[in-house]
Amino acid sequence: EAEVAQSPRYKITEKSQAVAFWCDPISGHATLYWYRQILGQGPELLVQFQDESVVDDSQLPKDRFSAERLKGVDSTLKIQPAELGDSAMYLCASSLVDPFEQYFGPGTRLTVT
Amino acid sequence: AQSVTQLDSQVPVFEEAPVELRCNYSSSVSVYLFWYVQYPNQGLQLLLKYLSGSTLVKGINGFEAEFNKSQTSFHLRKPSVHISDTAEYFCAVSAIQTGANNLFFGTGTRLTVIP
Repeated sequence: EAEVAQSPRYKITEKSQAVAFWCDPISGHATLYWYRQILGQGPELLVQFQDESVVDDSQLPKDRFSAERLKGVDSTLKIQPAELGDSAMYLCASSLVDPFEQYFGPGTRLTVT
Repeated sequence: AQSVTQLDSQVPVFEEAPVELRCNYSSSVSVYLFWYVQYPNQGLQLLLKYLSGSTLVKGINGFEAEFNKSQTSFHLRKPSVHISDTAEYFCAVSAIQTGANNLFFGTGTRLTVIP
């Protein structure tokens, strides 16, 4: 069964350092999402791509976060510099038809010390 | 904008007992509704969704949910739970509109099944 791949699964970094997360969606899924899930809360959308174009990044803290999906396939989410409040699970999801069924990856758990 | 309220942060229930996880939503437009399950250290998995048609929706693992438009609710039920149902459950809504259709999640309900 096809799955959304994410790496790394866990990341510990010091504040002010740069960190990057990678996501490979299910083959053929044109829509890709990055979510942030703070402990004890539901996921919140950071950015949505349709192919290589950003559809919605209204909740992305653009002073420190960036996201790209250069060839419309895999995607990278970057934080620079990381802050203590960025500690969270970062989830990637993809879908064929937005948003009827989003398939989630296992997530990257980020700890900023 | 849309919002979701999951009234119970934690629900303990004995094995083989029935369970209901409550979800209420707020939206100025019509919405699609979803329930997702998250097992420890894993991503979210879709349990069921309501897009249109019958207000009683059946999903995977024996779960079902009923859409009640007048009460703006979408409660999740299972007649008999198993130990393996222990997980975090999230209700989510998406506005029916063109363009970016974001999912708005509730804060989750942790279901613990007691042997």
